[in-house]
Amino acid sequence: GAVVSQHPSRVICKSGTSVKIECRSLDFQATTMFWYRQFPKKSLMLMATSNEGSKATYEQGVEKDKFLINHASLTLSTLTVTSAHPEDSSFYICSASGAREQYFGPGTRLTVT
Amino acid sequence: SQQGEEDPQALSIQEGENATMNCSYKTSINNLQWYRQNSGRGLVHLILIRSNEREKHSGRLRVTLDTSKKSSSLLITASRAADTASYFCAGYSSNTGKLIFGQGTTLQVKP
Repeated sequence: GAVVSQHPSRVICKSGTSVKIECRSLDFQATTMFWYRQFPKKSLMLMATSNEGSKATYEQGVEKDKFLINHASLTLSTLTVTSAHPEDSSFYICSASGAREQYFGPGTRLTVT
Repeated sequence: SQQGEEDPQALSIQEGENATMNCSYKTSINNLQWYRQNSGRGLVHLILIRSNEREKHSGRLRVTLDTSKKSSSLLITASRAADTASYFCAGYSSNTGKLIFGQGTTLQVKP
């Protein structure tokens, strides 16, 4: 099946710094990628839809200036958490739309201290 | 709310028993899917049931779909300790085309 990777898998950063998370579709091209956030013991909440070559569309309540998304190529989308705060600590999961379904990355655990 | 409802939220059974998890949704969706997530890991796609299907089997998994009741169930037969994980249903919203997740069921299978 199609493979989606995320990097890094875990990151710890200090409050006020910015963190970039990469999502790559390894063996297929994805015009659309999605970013989800997952709190402990909770479900996935869609944050934004990332479209190659155009601006991302954000879900209601998600700050676009806080969570910067760039989909510069058909195989790479990045999520940058700017000026991170402890409340941004979470598990971030990306997915990429393939021909038949969405394929999910392994997730990135962000801890802001 | 983006999410559907799942019950039970937590389920603990003995190895060898069957586990049944239910999912209900409010909005109209297409092609309901079930995913598994081990703690701190990504999602693994288990099975997809199309909107015009009522039941589907895959190995020890059995999924049902009742579009009139907007509900689905996942049955895992002869459970194993390795089945311990969280299980989520998800469907594509007919309105937005976005994948909407249920709240999930955490399954613990005791050896």
